[in-house]
Amino acid sequence: QQQVKQSPQSLIVQKGGISIINCAYENTAFDYFPWYQQFPGKGPALLIAIRPDVSEKKEGRFTISFNKSAKQFSLHIMDSQPGDSATYFCAASPLQGAQKLVFGQGTRLTINP
Amino acid sequence: NAGVTQTPKFQVLKTGQSMTLQCAQDMNHEYMSWYRQDPGMGLRLIHYSVGAGITDQGEVPNGYNVSRSTTEDFPLRLLSAAPSQTSVYFCASSYLSEAFFGQGTRLTVV
Repeated sequence: QQQVKQSPQSLIVQKGGISIINCAYENTAFDYFPWYQQFPGKGPALLIAIRPDVSEKKEGRFTISFNKSAKQFSLHIMDSQPGDSATYFCAASPLQGAQKLVFGQGTRLTINP
Repeated sequence: NAGVTQTPKFQVLKTGQSMTLQCAQDMNHEYMSWYRQDPGMGLRLIHYSVGAGITDQGEVPNGYNVSRSTTEDFPLRLLSAAPSQTSVYFCASSYLSEAFFGQGTRLTVV
């Protein structure tokens, strides 16, 4: 049973466009929702994260939108660049529970120049 | 400051062989975890530790053992490798809400 469901599996966006990746979760005990970015041959690295008491968090070109009632959250990448091409994972955990993250299936993002 | 170091980077095992994947961190984090990454399934938690001498099972613990004798090290043992354990394995250490991952070990069991 996948506790965090992520879509789409793959995404191709033109340079300068907006990339959108969606996630849904089931466990209401989750209290922290990070996004991790992974480049080929590397481990995942924290990109941005949100708690459910806010509906949106923005860091540069990256924005998380959070809908607590629908148990959904999404990552928006504005002005997408070729260097953003990577695999993105949404995740969930209890607050300060990063030792037991639950990950989505991942989205392979390709930004065409 | 090396962060999280995993060895080896690549390994091929025959079915039934045993081996230990090594993981070391130099950030003095109490929490450490092992995940496996398979195509289309994201990362799944195998075992985790909240301090020396304390470990617990994750989502997919069968076939794997762990121990934590020091803060720095958290080895993952495969007692009798099976083809289903072919995967990329990631070790992570964490502090509060952020996990820091190693570069992974790509394991193939034939």
